[in-house]
Amino acid sequence: NAGVMQNPRHLVRRRGQEARLRCSPMKGHSHVYWYRQLPEEGLKFMVYLQKENIIDESGMPKERFSAEFPKEGPSILRIQQVVRGDSAAYFCASSPRDRAFYGYTFGSGTRLTVV
Amino acid sequence: GESVGLHLPTLSVQEGDNSIINCAYSNSASDYFIWYKQESGKGPQFIIDIRSNMDKRQGQRVTVLLNKTVKHLSLQIAATQPGDSAVYFCAENQKVTFGTGTKLQVIP
Repeated sequence: NAGVMQNPRHLVRRRGQEARLRCSPMKGHSHVYWYRQLPEEGLKFMVYLQKENIIDESGMPKERFSAEFPKEGPSILRIQQVVRGDSAAYFCASSPRDRAFYGYTFGSGTRLTVV
Repeated sequence: GESVGLHLPTLSVQEGDNSIINCAYSNSASDYFIWYKQESGKGPQFIIDIRSNMDKRQGQRVTVLLNKTVKHLSLQIAATQPGDSAVYFCAENQKVTFGTGTKLQVIP
């Protein structure tokens, strides 16, 4: 009964490169949420997706960031042309239904370091 | 706008004492709240939840109290142990937002 799986756990990118973060939700969960966490700060909501649909991207930066959750495969958070300020921990969570907080489970996160 | 926030950023507690972590919320439509624990280098983990039709809920060594009148909830940890050292977040279900968190430091 695997939980939410995120990979890679650690990712180092040089400024200007692309970062791709993956999130596989729990079995039976069709809703995925991405959060960003800066050191010593709380979780900041970025985007909420269902299969093949972006439901709420109000927390996503307007440029360089994109997210998808295809019919098959994991959800991907993509950051183009990374800058030092993108260095953070990125967490995804999944739930079985719309905004259902019940059964809302987090992955272990991907720690992105931009050098 | 609506928000979930915490009163204290850091709380130091002697091992064996009880800990109380507070959280204020402003969205009166929130009807479900969760406390999460985040240990260093890990993702948040569910601790305990409470629905708005309840004032109190108890788990193993943890109790959550909800005061809807003043929009406040608290997490009480009995007989705090070194393994309780972590950042604790409260969250509400309307927007799935999280406060900054309270860092609990347990002094041996």
